[in-house]
Amino acid sequence: AQSVAQPEDQVNVAEGNPLTVKCTYSVSGNPYLFWYVQYPNRGLQFLLKYITGDNLVKGSYGFEAEFNKSQTSFHLKKPSALVSDSALYFCAVRDWADSWGKLQFGAGTQVVVTP
Amino acid sequence: EPEVTQTPSHQVTQMGQEVILRCVPISNHLYFYWYRQILGQKVEFLVSFYNNEISEKSEIFDDQFSVERPDGSNFTLKIRSTKLEDSAMYFCASSVDRTANQPQHFGDGTRLSIL
Repeated sequence: AQSVAQPEDQVNVAEGNPLTVKCTYSVSGNPYLFWYVQYPNRGLQFLLKYITGDNLVKGSYGFEAEFNKSQTSFHLKKPSALVSDSALYFCAVRDWADSWGKLQFGAGTQVVVTP
Repeated sequence: EPEVTQTPSHQVTQMGQEVILRCVPISNHLYFYWYRQILGQKVEFLVSFYNNEISEKSEIFDDQFSVERPDGSNFTLKIRSTKLEDSAMYFCASSVDRTANQPQHFGDGTRLSIL
């Protein structure tokens, strides 16, 4: 069975500092990995995905994520955080063998960026 | 940019009553999903739907739940006899195909409150 862990309930960072949101996964085969962001009273917005290829993937709003197969991790990063990045971030995994695209989400990490 | 739209944004219903949550997926998308998020918990997969049939469903999606695409645009989730534990945020999602290259796009959700 596939699963995703986000070990931090909340990450606090000062504006302009690097932001990292951690995610580890467990799947039986090759993983498809995703990051979504949720702003208050909004749905989940797609940020980026890893399917295959380069371990460093770039996404929307200056975010990037690094796939590390040996550590089974897919941490989300942003070199310089903005106050507007404050939101709830979800990591999700899809098993390559799943034909219909079911996503398994982590518990979410609240990011708070202070001015 | 096209969006998935969900109505209503908030639904309050008495326990035991039927409720229908509505979604309009992105127009050229063919794969549809419902997820739910109980307050303080993970986003959980409920069901996927393609070609007017359920393609996959979770253990949560019992006989009280049903989905339908009654016309060319709407995608509905019906809960036949609501229970207190059905109180959650329900998200509809759609994707153009089922490959991992095509991310799922989410609506803003319907908050369902069962009294």
